[in-house]
Amino acid sequence: DTAVSQTPKYLVTQMGNDKSIKCEQNLGHDTMYWYKQDSKKFLKIMFSYNNKELIINETVPNRFSPKSPDKAHLNLHINSLELGDSAVYFCASSPARGEAEAFFGQGTRLTVV
Amino acid sequence: GQQLNQSPQSMFIQEGEDVSMNCTSSSIFNTWLWYKQDPGEGPVLLIALYKAGELTSNGRLTAQFGITRKDSFLNISASIPSDVGIYFCAGPIYNTDKLIFGTGTRLQVFP
Repeated sequence: DTAVSQTPKYLVTQMGNDKSIKCEQNLGHDTMYWYKQDSKKFLKIMFSYNNKELIINETVPNRFSPKSPDKAHLNLHINSLELGDSAVYFCASSPARGEAEAFFGQGTRLTVV
Repeated sequence: GQQLNQSPQSMFIQEGEDVSMNCTSSSIFNTWLWYKQDPGEGPVLLIALYKAGELTSNGRLTAQFGITRKDSFLNISASIPSDVGIYFCAGPIYNTDKLIFGTGTRLQVFP
């Protein structure tokens, strides 16, 4: 009965590969997010969707493409992976647009070698 | 861009001690959130504050929404080993949907 679940938990891949991270929430929330946490533990927002519509797109390389097939799912696809993409990626959701309380998944640790 | 600065950056305390940490911003916020992150896990929401001056408790944790709306404080009383982790403040940038996080305070508790 996990609220926000991400897969995979760990991902090790070579430079230049394309990979996807999946996220699902069963909380009935309208808004979902992707955050990146770097090695210094700083959490930076990347994208936000509300009811499948993109509402926040931070200055993120266009190699990163989020996709929301429905409001319970927000996947992140990354093309041509680079060493600097290594980080922990967190998916989160909140009840509705404008409601700040976000609930986070366990994270996906991406290592690019 | 906007940033939330937390201090101290890290704390090393003995079990049973009280802990205080704060979060400051150059801009006003209408909501302050406090999260805790355990190693290998995602941040977990501890306390949410919605009104300037508000004081809210959750067990041994107490958080306050600063009167200026540019800061917030978190206190932990009688710390225990499971309090170990990174504590983040967060808030939505005014008039946007963007929830930003502070720089974090790493807490280490020694028995």
